[in-house]
Amino acid sequence: DTGVSQDPRHKITKRGQNVTFRCDPISEHNRLYWYRQTLGQGPEFLTYFQNEAQLEKSRLLSDRFSAERPKGSFSTLEIQRTEQGDSAMYLCASSTGLGREVFGSGTQLSVL
Amino acid sequence: GESVGLHLPTLSVQEGDNSIINCAYSNSASDYFIWYKQESGKGPQFIIDIRSNMDKRQGQRVTVLLNKTVKHLSLQIAATQPGDSAVYFCAETPGWGKLQFGAGTQVVVTP
Repeated sequence: DTGVSQDPRHKITKRGQNVTFRCDPISEHNRLYWYRQTLGQGPEFLTYFQNEAQLEKSRLLSDRFSAERPKGSFSTLEIQRTEQGDSAMYLCASSTGLGREVFGSGTQLSVL
Repeated sequence: GESVGLHLPTLSVQEGDNSIINCAYSNSASDYFIWYKQESGKGPQFIIDIRSNMDKRQGQRVTVLLNKTVKHLSLQIAATQPGDSAVYFCAETPGWGKLQFGAGTQVVVTP
């Protein structure tokens, strides 16, 4: 068990470009969560999956954001037409649903 | 709206002393609480959790206290070490996993 892995660790992009992040959860965890964190703030919930089903999306997740978990294992988060306000740390977490969520190290996105 | 918040944005503590980090929550439906530690450039790291049917839980050098009457949560760190320097978040959930985090407390351990 290597924990929750996120790729890439850092992403710099120009405004208007599309970006995609990947999360590999702990293998036996059926729940996967995406959060966004800006400097000095706690993580904010974006969306979560139970297996391959996306069960809830925050209103923070605009139409430009889409998340998938096609086989109930890894997940991707795509942001289309990035804006400077999208600059943040994007965190992925997984759990069995019975308790503690284990977080990855995050993807730091900078939109220029 | 309902939220989770922390009383102190920064806590400075001398190495070897005990630390106490406080957290207020307002969602009475929350039944599970977690403390996370986050170091610069890393994701939150689980420290300790507590369910609403308990009022105290101890781990290795850490204790979480839950007072449901006043909706208050605290994290006590015994014999604080330099490696404890980080931002600490409390988080709450009504049970199915979506965590609501407070803004965090920066703990600075001085020699």
